[in-house]
Amino acid sequence: AQSVAQPEDQVNVAEGNPLTVKCTYSVSGNPYLFWYVQYPNRGLQFLLKYITVDNLVKGSYGFEAEFNKSQTSFHLKKPSARVSDSALYFCAVRDKRNNDMRFGAGTRLTVKP
Amino acid sequence: KAGVTQTPRYLIKTRGQQVTLSCSPISGHRSVSWYQQTPGQGLQFLFEYFSETQRNKGNFPGRFSGRQFSNSRSEMNVSTLELGDSALYLCASSLDPAGWVNEQFFGPGTRLTVL
Repeated sequence: AQSVAQPEDQVNVAEGNPLTVKCTYSVSGNPYLFWYVQYPNRGLQFLLKYITVDNLVKGSYGFEAEFNKSQTSFHLKKPSARVSDSALYFCAVRDKRNNDMRFGAGTRLTVKP
Repeated sequence: KAGVTQTPRYLIKTRGQQVTLSCSPISGHRSVSWYQQTPGQGLQFLFEYFSETQRNKGNFPGRFSGRQFSNSRSEMNVSTLELGDSALYLCASSLDPAGWVNEQFFGPGTRLTVL
């Protein structure tokens, strides 16, 4: 069965600095990978997805993610963090074979002014 | 285009009762998935429906059930509620079965509290 890990519960970064939220996955074959963001008392919002085309994926709000097959990683990045980026971020993987969707435990990003 | 709507937004029940949650997907979306979110277990997949058929099911007891109607609206039911069922229940819709390529759009969730 596929799985996804977000090794950091919390990431703190200063406003204007680059940010990285890590995600690694385990799945047989080629995965579909997603990043979502959740603001307090809200549902998840889609940020970006990887569907085996370009290794660098650009998404909403200036976020991007780099797919690395050899390291089985799909880290979320942003060149310059904003205070409004503070939220809970989830990585997710879908196994094409069994249609199963799994989410990571989430990483809380705090951007300090 | 209206987003995914979930009703009710908040619900308080007591142990042993049953509850029904409702989800209306984005117009044109035929796939609806349900998730349970708790601080301890994170986001866990419950089930997914496409064209009124359950296409996939997570690892939850039979007390959790769902259905989808011809207009793609979906309901989930939890019978014999337990304290551990307290959670945020999220519904997500997508154009295709389980969002193969298309992303899922999430509703705001129903916060269920079991006393």
